[in-house]
Amino acid sequence: ILNVEQSPQSLHVQEGDSTNFTCSFPSSNFYALHWYRWETAKSPEALFVMTLNGDEKKKGRISATLNTKEGYSYLYIKGSQPEDSATYLCAFRRYGNNRLAFGKGNQVVVIP
Amino acid sequence: NAGVTQTPKFQVLKTGQSMTLQCAQDMNHEYMSWYRQDPGMGLRLIHYSVGAGITDQGEVPNGYNVSRSTTEDFPLRLLSAAPSQTSVYFCASSYSSLGGDYGYTFGSGTRLTVV
Repeated sequence: ILNVEQSPQSLHVQEGDSTNFTCSFPSSNFYALHWYRWETAKSPEALFVMTLNGDEKKKGRISATLNTKEGYSYLYIKGSQPEDSATYLCAFRRYGNNRLAFGKGNQVVVIP
Repeated sequence: NAGVTQTPKFQVLKTGQSMTLQCAQDMNHEYMSWYRQDPGMGLRLIHYSVGAGITDQGEVPNGYNVSRSTTEDFPLRLLSAAPSQTSVYFCASSYSSLGGDYGYTFGSGTRLTVV
């Protein structure tokens, strides 16, 4: 079982504020780190797939960084909007293993 | 493109009944997988397949069978349903086990209740 931890579990953010949260994963035999956005009553949708230490990816107001040596990734939301309200999942794959292990998610509620 | 199609969307079973959850994708993805989602547990991998004819167990495989006779279809079978299998089930696919540049594509889910 691969331990993927996400913190904080939930957070409320005022509209217009920026926020960030953390995904921690085993630092040995790293292969890939995924981020997904999961809105209520919908299916998870892929945001980023990151494979290299130091990777930074951006999609609109959402960005992510990756540190494979210490085993963490940050997801940032700049200028939060109500439509950013969702659960953000990270998922980790170890080298030589076909399984993608998910964390429990960061639930974000943006307050208008 | 339909993407990943799961049927049925909802199902109620009695303990001991059997059923098959269907998953089909039209994107020629090699990799397909089944997850279950329970409150407070996150997504847990049940079974996965890296191509037609090849399947393997995930984190929580007990009580479930799979087969992959075609690239498009990856059905999940419950042979004798138990209340512990009450959950929301998601099928996901990707170009490769790494997920390429696009990650996994998920189906809309099947909500299963076993009474």
